[in-house]
Amino acid sequence: SYDLTQPLSVSVALGQTARITCGGNDIGNKNVHWYQQEPGQAPVLVIYRDTNRPSGIPERFSASNSGNTAILTISRALAGDEADYYCQVWDSGTAGWVFGGGTKLTVL
Amino acid sequence: EVQLVESGGGLVKPGGSLRLSCTASGFTFSSYSMNWVRQAPGRGLEWVSSISGSGRYTYYGNSVKGRFTISRDNARNSLFLQLNGLRAEDTALYYCARNDGDFVFEDFDYWGQGALVTVSS
Repeated sequence: SYDLTQPLSVSVALGQTARITCGGNDIGNKNVHWYQQEPGQAPVLVIYRDTNRPSGIPERFSASNSGNTAILTISRALAGDEADYYCQVWDSGTAGWVFGGGTKLTVL
Repeated sequence: EVQLVESGGGLVKPGGSLRLSCTASGFTFSSYSMNWVRQAPGRGLEWVSSISGSGRYTYYGNSVKGRFTISRDNARNSLFLQLNGLRAEDTALYYCARNDGDFVFEDFDYWGQGALVTVSS
């Protein structure tokens, strides 16, 4: 089965840049999607197909994907960015979706 | 406005069954693949099942294969998940989510608020 590895937690100072990684074998050859989940809320799509932002998502959210690592970058972090973040890929080998374990972002 | 509203959750004994529904509005339901994703208390997201827009193609996660069945009724703009042989580890909030198109491998652009399933004796 295909596995995605995320750090359990990431901390960032207010106004600084946070980077959340998502590791997977040759993930650079897959489309990676990122979701934000605030406490008690449903997930929200923040990045689709590696680098694309849905309408309504601030430009502060960006992402990249290459080799064995995809990265979600949150610039000028705000207190409101505190949430859990999940990466996701479609694994064609097993014909199924895979989520990373999730990363809790704390803004200090 | 796209809306997804889940229903049918509840408390069920181990080995029991439950049927979840997701009622969709604000878009042409048959043109989109749909999914179920669950989240156990305090845990991460786990994909459960996907179905193509026509209902012809279905996919399941290994942990539910053979026990859960996904289906849809495009005339009623509804998605379903039949849960059989329930186990304590199936206890979770079950989300309905829409693919961004008719391909099951597109991202999930809209999510419902979830239906809670609790499996306990």
